[in-house]
This record gives sequence, C-alpha cells and structure tokens, in this order.
Amino acid sequence: KAGVTQTPRYLIKTRGQQVTLSCSPISGHRSVSWYQQTPGQGLQFLFEYFSETQRNKGNFPGRFSGRQFSNSRSEMNVSTLELGDSALYLCASSPTSGGSAGELFFGEGSRLTVL
Amino acid sequence: AQRVTQPEKLLSVFKGAPVELKCNYSYSGSPELFWYVQYSRQRLQLLLRHISRESIKGFTADLNKGETSFHLKKPFAQEEDSAMYYCALTRLNTGNQFYFGTGTSLTVIP
Repeated sequence: KAGVTQTPRYLIKTRGQQVTLSCSPISGHRSVSWYQQTPGQGLQFLFEYFSETQRNKGNFPGRFSGRQFSNSRSEMNVSTLELGDSALYLCASSPTSGGSAGELFFGEGSRLTVL
Repeated sequence: AQRVTQPEKLLSVFKGAPVELKCNYSYSGSPELFWYVQYSRQRLQLLLRHISRESIKGFTADLNKGETSFHLKKPFAQEEDSAMYYCALTRLNTGNQFYFGTGTSLTVIP
C-alpha cells in the first residue's frame, strides 16, 4: 500500500497570504489528522477528520481550517499567514477513530516558510 | 489539561549499555500511551503502545499510574536505535487527538 502522501513538500509564502496543504491517506483509512511541528513546541494537534466530519479540534486560531472529501483526502488551509506559522505540517491517517486509539501513519510533511 | 513531558532533549549511551527514555504525563482520565520513533530520513512511526504490552525491537514501556510515567527501556542499546523518540498520549473513545512530548534524541555511541 502506498503511504500517506502530502503535497506540496516545501513552500514559501509571505505574511498575509494563505496556503492550502493536501493529504492523501493510506487507502482504506478514514481518519486524517493534522499536526504542526515546530522546534519549540514539538507536535501540536490541529484537527482530525473522520468520514468528512471534523471530530476533534486543537487549540489553534480560526485561521487554521480543514476539510475532508468523500475519498478521505484532506486539505488544510491557513489564511492571513503570520511568521509564527512557519512549521512542518504533518498529516497522519488511521483506519479507525474512537474506541481504542488506532495507530497513526504519518506523511513526510509539508514544510511551510513564511517570510 | 493533558500534558506529556520528556525531560531529556538529548541522550547519549554507549552500545550495549541500558537505555531509559523518560516520559511523564498529566491527565485526569484513562489515558492511552504510546511511543513513536523517527529514524533519520524516515517518517514518524509507532514503536509501541502500552495497551498491547508488547516488546518491539527490544524496547518495553511500563505504565506507572501512581507516578504518571511511561518510561521506555531497553537493556542493551544498539547503534540502530539512534533516533528521535516521542511519547504520546490520547484518551479512550475520543478519536485520534494525540498529545506529544517534545521528543528525546537518542544517540548510541559505537
């Protein structure tokens, strides 16, 4: 099976712009989660989608949003970019959500630099 | 609030020596605890979870609810164990919202 695929892998934006990141989960996985990874804060949970519904949301401002499509592919969007949004954004998929937590399968990440 | 603390950013041990990576957590309910690992140039991946009570690549982790700890141990470190290790916590029946520690970079010296 192909692993979790994230695009683009690298991107550079300027303050005030917006960005959309894409994640294709492993075939058959219906849960997609997003994490922001920075050197100072480590991995921080953004949100999780399961069957096109947002199941959980982390403590991030409303500028961060996401969605999931019927084929389980997910996108996240960050509007009005700030310098502090520079980070590695990781997507993780899982076959299940709820009950005993499933294993997370991570992508390689999208590295966003905001200038 | 849920919090996972890994007190050591860097840890170096000699090959063949025992290794222990510390993880402490704060959570009021019933947590599920995991260790994830990232080897050089590889993706973050699951190493082990406490609910399975398994040993993976010689590593074990015991959940100590009294001390709220989930330390990762291996009796004899190998060079291939050099990696970044993350302790993570989630809650039962709440989906896949994980809280990660900031990680410990383990270097095994030949």
